Amino acid sequence: ETGVTQTPRHLVMGMTNKKSLKCEQHLGHNAMYWYKQSAKKPLELMFVYSLEERVENNSVPSRFSPECPNSSHLFLHLHTLQPEDSALYLCASSQDSGGREQFFGPGTRLTVL
Amino acid sequence: DQQVKQNSPSLSVQEGRISILNCDYTNSMFDYFLWYKKYPAEGPTFLISISSIKDKNEDGRFTVFLNKSAKHLSLHIVPSQPGDSAVYFCAASFNNNDMRFGAGTRLTVKP
Repeated sequence: ETGVTQTPRHLVMGMTNKKSLKCEQHLGHNAMYWYKQSAKKPLELMFVYSLEERVENNSVPSRFSPECPNSSHLFLHLHTLQPEDSALYLCASSQDSGGREQFFGPGTRLTVL
Repeated sequence: DQQVKQNSPSLSVQEGRISILNCDYTNSMFDYFLWYKKYPAEGPTFLISISSIKDKNEDGRFTVFLNKSAKHLSLHIVPSQPGDSAVYFCAASFNNNDMRFGAGTRLTVKP
């Protein structure tokens, strides 16, 4: 595998379910990100991890819980989501945290029923 | 507060002609700008970038222009090819902080 991978690619869950999104980067980068993309809206930055430390949390509801066990893996744990949380969730990585070139995974299309 | 705006949700161009995608920003502190391209079912991929100390950067068929006084960024693709059909996002950052993205413009290049 090369680049940034995400699993699952599609997820349908009920509001009471608990699920996790997984992201893995094979680029040797030090920073990883979670973004949310809703229809016709800009990408919204959710979380930033640098060297496995969370450096940013953009006022994301607590029903989204990130985890970064090492610099190659990033998880987003989901619990009691709302239908408005349905969106494309994108993971990205970069050499260092900050506003330079980021490499994105293909995303997880999440539908909350 | 949407700091980066792409006011055209879609653009259609004939193959071989020039495609011009536009982006406006409100934060004059932004010092680095990027364009990403996104195909369906794939994540965005980096296309080209420009630092605020420049007003033009060129890479093959792709050229990015920066007008700091107008807070305006544009991407020119010439000649346009059907494979360029995708959604294009502009992004901006300040002092190496996190990027802010526009909502994207869907480009369709007709054969």
